[in-house]
Amino acid sequence: EPEVTQTPSHQVTQMGQEVILRCVPISNHLYFYWYRQILGQKVEFLVSFYNNEISEKSEIFDDQFSVERPDGSNFTLKIRSTKLEDSAMYFCASRPGDTTNEKLFFGSGTQLSVL
Amino acid sequence: AQSVTQLGSHVSVSEGALVLLRCNYSSSVPPYLFWYVQYPNQGLQLLLKYTTGATLVKGINGFEAEFKKSETSFHLTKPSAHMSDAAEYFCAVSEGTSGTYKYIFGTGTRLKVLA
Repeated sequence: EPEVTQTPSHQVTQMGQEVILRCVPISNHLYFYWYRQILGQKVEFLVSFYNNEISEKSEIFDDQFSVERPDGSNFTLKIRSTKLEDSAMYFCASRPGDTTNEKLFFGSGTQLSVL
Repeated sequence: AQSVTQLGSHVSVSEGALVLLRCNYSSSVPPYLFWYVQYPNQGLQLLLKYTTGATLVKGINGFEAEFKKSETSFHLTKPSAHMSDAAEYFCAVSEGTSGTYKYIFGTGTRLKVLA
């Protein structure tokens, strides 16, 4: 089965630094997502992206966060100035098309640790 | 907005025993419901989904779930637990339409299988 690929698997950064988390969604998919999971808590929606723009974002996704699809294959999440509370597992996901019952395909995640 | 409640953050069963992981949802419209599994150091993998039709849904690895509208439940079961079933399990409900479609996850249940 095709896979969503995320890099790096682990990222350690200092508070206040910028980080970019990278994802390669499945090639014919049209909708892209970022979720995060703080240790011991539920998987939370951050943002969805379609047709080269954000279609929805959560309250968590403030001005410190941005997403980009720079080259038609990569999908990135940037955190401009990291905070301690940004430490979490970040999951990228994608889905093919426009049917609401289609499953999301998830990557294996990037564990972000902010020191 | 939709929401999902998973009762029991940790469940332990003996190998060979019945697995029952509970999920209740709230939704103002007929829901699409999903169970995902997360093995250590891996991403989220779809176990099964309910969209329409038969209320008993069979998934991978011998798991099944029954949609009960009257109880707003979608509990996950497996008749006989195997050591390899040890993982975290997430129930999710879909929300939105086309461009705003996303999943809302529960807090997860960590399943431990005892030898």
